[in-house]
Amino acid sequence: DAGITQSPRHKVTETGTPVTLRCHQTENHRYMYWYRQDPGHGLRLIHYSYGVKDTDKGEVSDGYSVSRSKTEDFLLTLESATSSQTSVYFCAISVAGTEYGYTFGSGTRLTVV
Amino acid sequence: TQLLEQSPQFLSIQEGENLTVYCNSSSVFSSLQWYRQEPGEGPVLLVTVVTGGEVKKLKRLTFQFGDARKDSSLHITAAQPGDTGLYLCARRRSPSGNTPLVFGKGTRLSVIA
Repeated sequence: DAGITQSPRHKVTETGTPVTLRCHQTENHRYMYWYRQDPGHGLRLIHYSYGVKDTDKGEVSDGYSVSRSKTEDFLLTLESATSSQTSVYFCAISVAGTEYGYTFGSGTRLTVV
Repeated sequence: TQLLEQSPQFLSIQEGENLTVYCNSSSVFSSLQWYRQEPGEGPVLLVTVVTGGEVKKLKRLTFQFGDARKDSSLHITAAQPGDTGLYLCARRRSPSGNTPLVFGKGTRLSVIA
């Protein structure tokens, strides 16, 4: 089973502060993704990566940046957090052999006050 | 935007009843995936369907891919409280390659003992 962990699990931060969420995987999967999940909107893609230093934007990328300097880590940064970024954030990896189905982390619940 | 429409949004049933949930789109899918998400956790992949008309079974869950590959259904026989959760369908952003998944908003199922 693919090992994927997200940290922190919960965070409360103030408007205007930078926040970094971490996603760590243990099996050298090439593809990694960040989604946010909100009531009424479902899961929406923020950014994704198809290799070290190779990233691309999703449908809701404004206000977010990502970095992938190592295969195992994919970081999501909110440059200056806003209340609209209060959400649950999920990281996922894409696993070959399941028609590239996703394995998700357990999520980070972020509250911006 | 390639929308996925899931219905119903909410479903509350008694233990032992049967149910069907649906996932529809106006465009053809190359493949479709179903996930189940429990509270506080990330979604978990249940199945991938690829061929029009395909039927896959996972214990009491039956997944069907429409002949025209524009719709899919999930049927649960003799629902149990452990089936409670959010059921999501997902398709590739574009038909070719390992492109990110686009998710429907889900059907929230509650099975009452």
